[in-house]
Amino acid sequence: SQQGEEDPQALSIQEGENATMNCSYKTSINNLQWYRQNSGRGLVHLILIRSNEREKHSGRLRVTLDTSKKSSSLLITASRAADTASYFCATAFRDGTLTFGKGTMLLVSP
Amino acid sequence: DGGITQSPKYLFRKEGQNVTLSCEQNLNHDAMYWYRQDPGQGLRLIYYSQIVNDFQKGDIAEGYSVSREKKESFPLTVTSAQKNPTAFYLCASSIRTGGSGYTFGSGTRLTVV
Repeated sequence: SQQGEEDPQALSIQEGENATMNCSYKTSINNLQWYRQNSGRGLVHLILIRSNEREKHSGRLRVTLDTSKKSSSLLITASRAADTASYFCATAFRDGTLTFGKGTMLLVSP
Repeated sequence: DGGITQSPKYLFRKEGQNVTLSCEQNLNHDAMYWYRQDPGQGLRLIYYSQIVNDFQKGDIAEGYSVSREKKESFPLTVTSAQKNPTAFYLCASSIRTGGSGYTFGSGTRLTVV
């Protein structure tokens, strides 16, 4: 069963704008991760946030986690055309496996 | 270069045939995983292995089989019992299960003809 659900399903913005994607999940987690997938390719790990962390930054990425609301958000600042991809959140349980959401398709236009 | 290699990139199978997808990693990762991706459905876990000679079923293991005879290798066989095998298959590995990110291969696109 899929745990995480991303919102929105699709997002279209102009270069230079910020992109925000949200993820909601249902049960307690060990950590939450975000991945990027370019069309027809494998996924690339972007960032991991542990259940006892509230915010994490990596370059132009900012991730927040609210365990009371069972939700996370990924913010990409100053978007570039190269950021065009699908973005997935994945929740990790005690057995260590990841459960992925259906993803958000981001289109950044020049 | 350390990484995870899937082959072939494209695979065509006739109905009733078994096919094996290859996944090899040189990252010295203990854990390996197979996911299936269908349009609009995200990734679903087929099988995973935390250690050599051991593996566990994921959410959609029916019609699939795996082996883990070497740390570096985790091949997936799609058997004729899998009713709808056409999909994009992704292999991944991680240092251990839990607490670390996955490294993914570039995927194998399987089509039944």
